[in-house]
Amino acid sequence: QKEVEQNSGPLSVPEGAIASLNCTYSDRVSQSFFWYRQYSGKSPELIMSIYSNGDKEDGRFTAQLNKASQYVSLLIRDSQPSDSATYLCAVNWEAGSGGSNYKLTFGKGTLLTVNP
Amino acid sequence: KAGVTQTPRYLIKTRGQQVTLSCSPISGHRSVSWYQQTPGQGLQFLFEYFSETQRNKGNFPGRFSGRQFSNSRSEMNVSTLELGDSALYLCASKTGGASFHEQFFGPGTRLTVL
Repeated sequence: QKEVEQNSGPLSVPEGAIASLNCTYSDRVSQSFFWYRQYSGKSPELIMSIYSNGDKEDGRFTAQLNKASQYVSLLIRDSQPSDSATYLCAVNWEAGSGGSNYKLTFGKGTLLTVNP
Repeated sequence: KAGVTQTPRYLIKTRGQQVTLSCSPISGHRSVSWYQQTPGQGLQFLFEYFSETQRNKGNFPGRFSGRQFSNSRSEMNVSTLELGDSALYLCASKTGGASFHEQFFGPGTRLTVL
């Protein structure tokens, strides 16, 4: 069974620090990876996608992917109290044949708290 | 471009009743997926519809069903509601089925079963 694992947290960091969120997945075949942010009482919001090994930067966010280690992470630089949320890691796995049927599997999320 | 919309946003039902939730995907998106989110279980996949056909299905009982219309709008139905069905029901859409297609969520429908 394909699984996505995240530390549930809470992860607490001071304002201005770097927050590091980690995710591991069980199947080497995965091709695409996503990070979602979910504020309490709201729906998940896509913040990063990454498809190849290495780093991908977008503003204060950096996604890192290591397919050999089956590991993906999200770094948030200069953390702000407004970054306090649950961060969900999602992995796309092929659910059918032909390369046109991929299904997202989500981890249970890591709760991040940024303290002023 | 408008985002994913869901109606209603809040719903209160009693045990044994049935409920229908509606989802309108982003324009041009042909895939619609439904999820149930509860505090203890996280995001659980219900099913995905693509071009009016159910393409993938999660591990939920047959009381949970769905359909998709030719304009890609989707509905989800839960029959014989149980207390444990109280949850946030999320709809998400994406362009198609390729691995790089990004999936976007609607605001959700908060269902309370009394």
